[in-house]
Amino acid sequence: DARVTQTPRHKVTEMGQEVTMRCQPILGHNTVFWYRQTMMQGLELLAYFRNRAPLDDSGMPKDRFSAEMPDATLATLKIQPSEPRDSAVYFCASGLVSFLQETQYFGPGTRLLVL
Amino acid sequence: KNQVEQSPQSLIILEGKNCTLQCNYTVSPFSNLRWYKQDTGRGPVSLTIMTFSENTKSNGRYTATLDADTKQSSLHITASQLSDSASYICVVSAENAGNMLTFGGGTRLMVKP
Repeated sequence: DARVTQTPRHKVTEMGQEVTMRCQPILGHNTVFWYRQTMMQGLELLAYFRNRAPLDDSGMPKDRFSAEMPDATLATLKIQPSEPRDSAVYFCASGLVSFLQETQYFGPGTRLLVL
Repeated sequence: KNQVEQSPQSLIILEGKNCTLQCNYTVSPFSNLRWYKQDTGRGPVSLTIMTFSENTKSNGRYTATLDADTKQSSLHITASQLSDSASYICVVSAENAGNMLTFGGGTRLMVKP
């Protein structure tokens, strides 16, 4: 049963530290999404890759966040420097785009707490 | 501005009862609408995805409807079970190069025995 995996599942860090979250999309999927979920804002799209190319990262604070796909099996989301307001659950999702349809499969999330 | 509004924000029903969750959107141009179920502490799981030409789509006890004219969608849950307790999120995709997604705030459903 193919699944999206994310590491770490939990991360506690101090303000100013660098945080790197990793995602392994489902093999064969050609789209990868990064989302952030907080109680106040709900689910927000941060970045969207198709065939490893960034298509949309308008939802991501550019000054401290960066998202990359070094290869088809790994997507990373990096925060440097981290701030307490970055505390949230970060979800990665992968999908396969076909005509008019795209179903995303979400990973379990990385719960980040920045002190 | 693209927006997705869900109602109610929260709902409590008794096991075995039916319920309907609402989603209104102003996303344009419309591409598709998805309903997700998110259990506490877990990632969202896709229930249905509907395109412009689809009015109704079912997935087991879940039935989603779409009225593209009024820009409304509903998710009907039949014969609710305790395991249906979760947040239900409506997500609308705009038809553009990035397929921009707009998320509703979700409806938190609690099914009580």
